[in-house]
Amino acid sequence: DAKTTQPTSMDCAEGRAANLPCNHSTISGNEYVYWYRQIHSQGPQYIIHGLKNNETNEMASLIITEDRKSSTLILPHATLRDTAVYYCIVRVSGNTPLVFGKGTRLSVIA
Amino acid sequence: SAVISQKPSRDICQRGTSLTIQCQVDSQVTMMFWYRQQPGQSLTLIATANQGSEATYESGFVIDKFPISRPNLTFSTLTVSNMSPEDSSIYLCSVGEGGYTFGSGTRLTVV
Repeated sequence: DAKTTQPTSMDCAEGRAANLPCNHSTISGNEYVYWYRQIHSQGPQYIIHGLKNNETNEMASLIITEDRKSSTLILPHATLRDTAVYYCIVRVSGNTPLVFGKGTRLSVIA
Repeated sequence: SAVISQKPSRDICQRGTSLTIQCQVDSQVTMMFWYRQQPGQSLTLIATANQGSEATYESGFVIDKFPISRPNLTFSTLTVSNMSPEDSSIYLCSVGEGGYTFGSGTRLTVV
């Protein structure tokens, strides 16, 4: 079973920051937080991951709380092309399968 | 990250028939994973395929219905057997080494 809780859906105005929360209160010390998104039933796309420090890449920023029980994915300037389902996944590193929850459907509105 | 070619991209099949989905990876990988995504739902893991051994199936999925082959380290197939309309879904393969990547998916409609 998925170990994360996310809101079912969110809206964001184009050009504004999209902040997607995720609760993972049972996360273990060796589990990472991963974020993926799926655009219109394409294969899921990797966004970012982190263990305990905040992370940033060209797509997004990941803010993990100090107790690691929750995190927030930030898309700094959302565009219409960011409309997708966003999945927060916790897992250990290594070659194990991803377990998907229901995710958050983000709609970016012009 | 690995690049996966998955085919067919879509198919419409008659009930009672079978469809084989292929995934080709551009590098050698130890494990490949197969997922199903039913309409409006999230992805569900069907099985893990290791080269040289039987695939490991998740609860609710059986080999007779979803036989998997893994003849080498770059290729795998998933067959959906004796199809019914309930099998209408998107099927995706994935690899985890070097960063998770997914195939583009096979959209299956059973009529």
